[in-house]
Amino acid sequence: DQQVKQNSPSLSVQEGRISILNCDYTNSMFDYFLWYKKYPAEGPTFLISISSIKDKNEDGRFTVFLNKSAKHLSLHIVPSQPGDSAVYFCAAIISNSGYALNFGKGTSLLVTP
Amino acid sequence: GAVVSQHPSWVICKSGTSVKIECRSLDFQATTMFWYRQFPKQSLMLMATSNEGSKATYEQGVEKDKFLINHASLTLSTLTVTSAHPEDSSFYICSARPPTVFTQYFGPGTRLTVL
Repeated sequence: DQQVKQNSPSLSVQEGRISILNCDYTNSMFDYFLWYKKYPAEGPTFLISISSIKDKNEDGRFTVFLNKSAKHLSLHIVPSQPGDSAVYFCAAIISNSGYALNFGKGTSLLVTP
Repeated sequence: GAVVSQHPSWVICKSGTSVKIECRSLDFQATTMFWYRQFPKQSLMLMATSNEGSKATYEQGVEKDKFLINHASLTLSTLTVTSAHPEDSSFYICSARPPTVFTQYFGPGTRLTVL
């Protein structure tokens, strides 16, 4: 049962524009959310996270928004760069339940020049 | 900071042999380490959670006698794939969690090919 869903398997954006990657979850017990970036044949790289007590967290070009009532979060990358092309995974944690990450299936982002 | 290494990065073995993969947290102590498996074009599947000094907790459907996990120190966890078969061929990734934070930091992964 997929509790974290990334319904867009792929996204293509022009360099300089905004990339918006979406993630939905079903388990209301999730209270911490993370975004990871992954290149082929490499391990995921941590990008940014957000606690459920916040609705926005920003780090440079990356901003994560959390809408708890809609059980939805999104990652905004602005401006997008060709080096951002990768697979982005959304993950969620129940913080008092072993810290195991529940991953979405990922969205493949392609930033074109 | 928060660097995790894995060794080897790629291993090819014959069916029936055992393979050991090491996961090390290089600049922090990790009370908890995780082992994942990724099939082509799919998400990461959690195999097991290991806590230093105790037995690993395996996810449903993961054979604990086939995938032996040892977390003998705060910076090292090992995954041994015993009597490997071609269907065990996959990309295995470990992660480590520093104390007091939720974030897991991932190793670069190990590509296992069983002939």
